[in-house]
Amino acid sequence: KAGVTQTPRYLIKTRGQQVTLSCSPISGHRSVSWYQQTPGQGLQFLFEYFSETQRNKGNFPGRFSGRQFSNSRSEMNVSTLELGDSALYLCASSLAAHESNGYTFGSGTRLTVV
Amino acid sequence: DQQVKQNSPSLSVQEGRISILNCDYTNSMFDYFLWYKKYPAEGPTFLISISSIKDKNEDGRFTVFLNKSAKHLSLHIVPSQPGDSAVYFCAARQNYNFNKFYFGSGTKLNVKP
Repeated sequence: KAGVTQTPRYLIKTRGQQVTLSCSPISGHRSVSWYQQTPGQGLQFLFEYFSETQRNKGNFPGRFSGRQFSNSRSEMNVSTLELGDSALYLCASSLAAHESNGYTFGSGTRLTVV
Repeated sequence: DQQVKQNSPSLSVQEGRISILNCDYTNSMFDYFLWYKKYPAEGPTFLISISSIKDKNEDGRFTVFLNKSAKHLSLHIVPSQPGDSAVYFCAARQNYNFNKFYFGSGTKLNVKP
């Protein structure tokens, strides 16, 4: 079966712009989570969506937002980009909240803010 | 505040020997722990997990040990193979009902042939 698909793979934006990243989960998966990975910081939880509802949110400013559509596809938006937003953004999906094997991750979107 | 810590950024091991990757956590409410492996340009892939009610879980060459009193878990890979060279992340979850994981910063394992 197809894995988690994230688009685009690479993105370069200028400070102050906004960006939208897309994630298509594995077919049938209803939970989609987003993480930010920066060097030395590991993966930082952004938010999780389940059946179009945000269930949990990490400690990121309001510039970071997301949504989930009825087909479980999810988008993440970052407004007023800052240099520190440069990171690998990973999307992960799972069938339910408590699977023993956690998530299946996509390959990520590498965002560079200049 | 980093609730999951991997204090060794890198580890180098000879092929055939044991690799031990360590992870410490501060939140005693964590009830589920996982290890992920990540190759460059790919997303992390699930490796092995352990519930807080157990102290050991084994899957082939991979074994995870959990010491709740010390708030410490470790991943043992025996024998190590060059294909195991990757970044390993440990992760923990507090609430069974939510997919919110706390990740460590990762340990880059290099297995030398």
